[in-house]
Amino acid sequence: GAVVSQHPSRVICKSGTSVKIECRSLDFQATTMFWYRQFPKQSLMLMATSNEGSKATYEQGVEKDKFLINHASLTLSTLTVTSAHPEDSSFYICSAPSDGTDTQYFGPGTRLTVL
Amino acid sequence: AQSVTQLGSHVSVSEGALVLLRCNYSSSVPPYLFWYVQYPNQGLQLLLKYTTGATLVKGINGFEAEFKKSETSFHLTKPSAHMSDAAEYFCAVSPSGSRLTFGEGTQLTVNP
Repeated sequence: GAVVSQHPSRVICKSGTSVKIECRSLDFQATTMFWYRQFPKQSLMLMATSNEGSKATYEQGVEKDKFLINHASLTLSTLTVTSAHPEDSSFYICSAPSDGTDTQYFGPGTRLTVL
Repeated sequence: AQSVTQLGSHVSVSEGALVLLRCNYSSSVPPYLFWYVQYPNQGLQLLLKYTTGATLVKGINGFEAEFKKSETSFHLTKPSAHMSDAAEYFCAVSPSGSRLTFGEGTQLTVNP
């Protein structure tokens, strides 16, 4: 099946700093990617839809200025958490559909801890 | 709009016993339905999916699920649990396979 990678797998940062998380489709192109966050022992909540070559679409309640999304190429989307605070600590997961399929392939996730 | 309800946040079975994880959905359009498994600190792995056609869907690792439109259900089953099946399981619904709405998840414990 299709493979999606994320980098880094875990990151610890100080409050007030910005953190960039990369999501890559390794063996297929993805015009659309999705970003989720997952709190401990909870479900995944869709944050935004990343669109190659255009602006991301954010879900209601997600601050677009805080969670900057860039989809620079057909294989890479980045999520930047700006001015991170402890409440932003979470597990961030991306997904991408292999073009022409109806199945999402998920990355392994990034564990963000803000001190 | 879509929503998913997974009945039972925790399910515990003995090794070799039947696994039944319940999922009910709400959808305004014919749904695409998915079951994913998540191991600790990992992403999600697709177990199986229903889009159209046969309502009994077979997936990986011996799991299967049946789409029952009249009951708006998509329960996941496996005849005989293995220790390696212990994980978090998520049911999800989508109008097209893109934007997924997840249930709250069910933690499966397998006892020796």
